This record gives sequence, structure tokens and C-alpha cells, in this order.
Amino acid sequence: QSALTQPASVSGSPGQSITISCSGSGSEVGNYNHVSWYQHHPGKAPKLIIFEVSQRPSGVSTRFFASKSGTTASLTISGLQAEDEADYYCSSYAGGSTLVFGGGTKLTVL
Amino acid sequence: QVQLQESGPGLVKPSQTLSLTCTVSGDSITNGIYYWTWIRQAAGKGLEWIGRVFTSGNTDYNPTLKSRVTISLDTSNNQFSLKVTSVTASDTAVYYCARLRGYYYYMDVWGEGATVTVSS
Repeated sequence: QSALTQPASVSGSPGQSITISCSGSGSEVGNYNHVSWYQHHPGKAPKLIIFEVSQRPSGVSTRFFASKSGTTASLTISGLQAEDEADYYCSSYAGGSTLVFGGGTKLTVL
Repeated sequence: QVQLQESGPGLVKPSQTLSLTCTVSGDSITNGIYYWTWIRQAAGKGLEWIGRVFTSGNTDYNPTLKSRVTISLDTSNNQFSLKVTSVTASDTAVYYCARLRGYYYYMDVWGEGATVTVSS
């Protein structure tokens, strides 16, 4: 069970948009729509921002948009704000009642 | 409002057993909808799923940790626990408990994490 692949870091200026990719295989991302994204400010509890590929939980900003194509899922954050600076993780159901995470992406708001 | 809180020793000696408890408030661990799960994060590393337990007591584990991990329920105290045996320095991490939505496999409520260091 290998971790999903995410870029180690991305950056953008306030107001800009950024996209974080989450690359997997046909064993998880490519075979299931149970893909989620989490925002993690260090020292705090991770926060669910996307589930089922593109669904936003109640209360999550519409600036967060996610999608999936084949074995790669993507998270786009538009209108970057300073508070968006955090680590972002994708996860996917991996079959056999197991779950796998991505390695995480550090977002820096310049 | 559902809240989860991890507790347990912050220091464990190598080869011993790591034990953590997650106390759930605002929801019942026997609700039959959610699983209860553990995740960890070693310093400078990403999140790693450890395993989950359901109301029935049924469990599923990360294959890489399965031989050393046990997750169980304490319904009388609305808690669930994690045990990791034969720990080494590589088990040093922040351990999170979370509520996992069955079928959809997302964690919608997380604890703030408990730091566990494995050292003699």
C-alpha cells in the first residue's frame, strides 16, 4: 500500500489560484470516488474540506474546488487568503477496507 | 458538537506497548453509522492511516501495521483505544483519533492529536 503522490509544496500570492494534485493508481484513486481532502494547520486538528471527490462539507468555503480525472485527483483553491496557508492532504479508499493518504503539500501564501 | 480527545503516555520505551485512548463526546460510538479510526504523523512526514473499529467491534488495519496494532471499543465510557506492540523509534509520532464515515471513507471530526515519543 503506497502513499498517494502530492507535490511537496506549492505557493501563490493572495487572490491567486493554486492547484494541488494527488496522483494514485487504479487500486485507489482510479477505481473509487471515495477521495477526500484535508487542511492541516500544524498543531491543530486536520479539517475535512472535500469528500467524495468534489463534495464540500457544510461551512467550507466555495473557494475550495476539487475534481478527479483517471488516477489523479486535484484540489484548487481560488482567491488565496493568508489563512489558507497550511498543509493539505488527499486520501482515498484503497480497497480491502483500507485507506491511504497522500504525502501532503505545504501551501505557502506569499 | 462532536469532539474527540486523545490521551495516554507521551513516552514509551522501545519494545514496549504504546496505548492511547480517544474519548468521544457529542456522539455515541455505537451509532452504527460511523467508524472510529486512528491516524498518525511522524515528524516531517505525511499522515498514515492506522486502522478503524466499528460499533460491532469489527476492525480493519493498515496492512503494514496489522501485526502490531489493536483497536478496540469501550462502550461503557464512550471511548476507543489503540495499542501498538513492540514499538521502535519509527513509531514516534503525533497520533490522531477521528470519526470515519462508513462507505465514504472520510474523517469529519478529528482530535487535536497526542504526541508519543519512543525512547529509552
